[in-house]
Amino acid sequence: DTGVSQNPRHKITKRGQNVTFRCDPISEHNRLYWYRQTLGQGPEFLTYFQNEAQLEKSRLLSDRFSAERPKGSFSTLEIQRTEQGDSAMYLCASELRGGTEAFFGQGTRLTVV
Amino acid sequence: GQQLNQSPQSMFIQEGEDVSMNCTSSSIFNTWLWYKQEPGEGPVLLIALYKAGELTSNGRLTAQFGITRKDSFLNISASIPSDVGIYFCAGQLSLGAQKLVFGQGTRLTINP
Repeated sequence: DTGVSQNPRHKITKRGQNVTFRCDPISEHNRLYWYRQTLGQGPEFLTYFQNEAQLEKSRLLSDRFSAERPKGSFSTLEIQRTEQGDSAMYLCASELRGGTEAFFGQGTRLTVV
Repeated sequence: GQQLNQSPQSMFIQEGEDVSMNCTSSSIFNTWLWYKQEPGEGPVLLIALYKAGELTSNGRLTAQFGITRKDSFLNISASIPSDVGIYFCAGQLSLGAQKLVFGQGTRLTINP
């Protein structure tokens, strides 16, 4: 399968714990995005990488959130000291530089209890 | 922040009917995209529009980029059960803005 891959698909964690999600983009895509989607809403932009450089971060990305893309390939999104309000679907998308068609992964559904 | 107003929020139709949904904004968008999302999955790209006035088809789906660049519509003809899902419009505000702004979605339900 050559699509965007996200792991894990589901994560249940206790409030206050740290969680980390991984995204493997389509291999030739150098742009990578993270979005968050809550129930009944469209995805909301969190952050964006071009290769290993994090070029934009949304105000939604609080200090407890950090994203990395160390070698310009896969990316991780970490949430520290999780809160119930962090419960959502976290979506990763990738895109070719110069393209305008972002392809999404299946998402990681986080439930904070 | 920028918002896309998508309507209707939900539709209940009979199999075989045509469907129309639209997206409007107070801002000018450079690109319009239409995605479909099924439960527990990520959005899947259906159609991408790049120029004002552009009309593009993908099988039974047709979408148009409004002339004012502030709106877009998606039509589905002769609906079938597998069309069930949530349809999202998304736009890029400018050439330099990489992120997508999404509408709230239109939930399509089809009665066989």
